[in-house]
Amino acid sequence: AQSVTQLGSHVSVSEGALVLLRCNYSSSVPPYLFWYVQYPNQGLQLLLKYTTGATLVKGINGFEAEFKKSETSFHLTKPSAHMSDAAEYFCAVSEFSGGYNKLIFGAGTRLAVHP
Amino acid sequence: SAVISQKPSRDICQRGTSLTIQCQVDSQVTMMFWYRQQPGQSLTLIATANQGSEATYESGFVIDKFPISRPNLTFSTLTVSNMSPEDSSIYLCSVDGLSNTGELFFGEGSRLTVL
Repeated sequence: AQSVTQLGSHVSVSEGALVLLRCNYSSSVPPYLFWYVQYPNQGLQLLLKYTTGATLVKGINGFEAEFKKSETSFHLTKPSAHMSDAAEYFCAVSEFSGGYNKLIFGAGTRLAVHP
Repeated sequence: SAVISQKPSRDICQRGTSLTIQCQVDSQVTMMFWYRQQPGQSLTLIATANQGSEATYESGFVIDKFPISRPNLTFSTLTVSNMSPEDSSIYLCSVDGLSNTGELFFGEGSRLTVL
């Protein structure tokens, strides 16, 4: 079965600083990978996804992630943090089972942005 | 992307009672997924619901506790039966993004507190 590991349950950065949220996955085949964001009292919103092609993918709100097969990683970055980026971030990998793809989520990383 | 509405958005329930959560989608979808997010934790897939067939439950979840209906291609319900405080969670409805990658769109969730 697939699994996702997010290093760091809490990350705190200063406004304007680099954001780096780490995600490693286990998969025996090339995976589909996703980052979702959850703002307080809301559902999950897709930030970006990797399916095929270019390994550096860009998403909404200035976020991007790079798929590194050799490292089984899909880390999320943003060059300059904004206060509005404070939220919970989930990395997910798809698993094909029972004839369809389903998402397996990591434990999540809570990002705090301070002035 | 699909627009997903869940009702209720939140509720406080008494131990031993049951609550049904409704999920309405603004377009026809084949696959609908129900997730549970316990306080401070990640998302765990409860079951997958296809229209016209029995829901498929993940390990650790059973139909008697979480009966699911899927009467048509735009609607589903999840019932949490005989609730206990351990069932206090956010329950999220999601639908397949039709990209055949596992990408999901989420509703805003139903926050249940069981006293």
